[in-house]
Amino acid sequence: DTGVSQNPRHKITKRGQNVTFRCDPISEHNRLYWYRQTLGQGPEFLTYFQNEAQLEKSRLLSDRFSAERPKGSFSTLEIQRTEQGDSAMYLCASSLVVGAVTEAFFGQGTRLTVV
Amino acid sequence: TQLLEQSPQFLSIQEGENLTVYCNSSSVFSSLQWYRQEPGEGPVLLVTVVTGGEVKKLKRLTFQFGDARKDSSLHITAAQPGDTGLYLCAGEIQGAQKLVFGQGTRLTINP
Repeated sequence: DTGVSQNPRHKITKRGQNVTFRCDPISEHNRLYWYRQTLGQGPEFLTYFQNEAQLEKSRLLSDRFSAERPKGSFSTLEIQRTEQGDSAMYLCASSLVVGAVTEAFFGQGTRLTVV
Repeated sequence: TQLLEQSPQFLSIQEGENLTVYCNSSSVFSSLQWYRQEPGEGPVLLVTVVTGGEVKKLKRLTFQFGDARKDSSLHITAAQPGDTGLYLCAGEIQGAQKLVFGQGTRLTINP
């Protein structure tokens, strides 16, 4: 399977714990995005990388959130001191930008439940 | 403020009927994508439109990009229960480098 891969698929954690999610993009894609989606809503942009550089972070991304993409390959999203409001589906997508067109392909997501 | 407004947000119709979903914005997009999402899964890309006025067909689905590249529509002919899902439009605003999503249209096709 050469699509975007996210791990784990599901994570249940206690409030106050730290969690880390991993995303492996499509290998030739140079751009990687993180989104958060709550029930009944469209995905909300969190941050994106062009190769290893983090180019934009949403105001939604508080200081408890950090994302990395070492060597421009896989990416991790860490949430420190989780809160119940962090419960959501965290989606990763990758794209190969050609001219003005961005086609993003998504992983299956990591569903986080904070209890 | 939602950059992309989708309507309707919910739609429930009978098998065999036709339907149209709309995606509107005041911003101009370099390109616009339509995705379909099943519960518990990530969105799956259906189509990308780039040129103003462009029309693309995918079996019973017809996608149109507005002439000014600010809006789009998805028309489904003879809907089937397998079309049930969350339909999302997403676009890359000119000058920006990220995809922004609409809030989605939850479509239910009843047998």
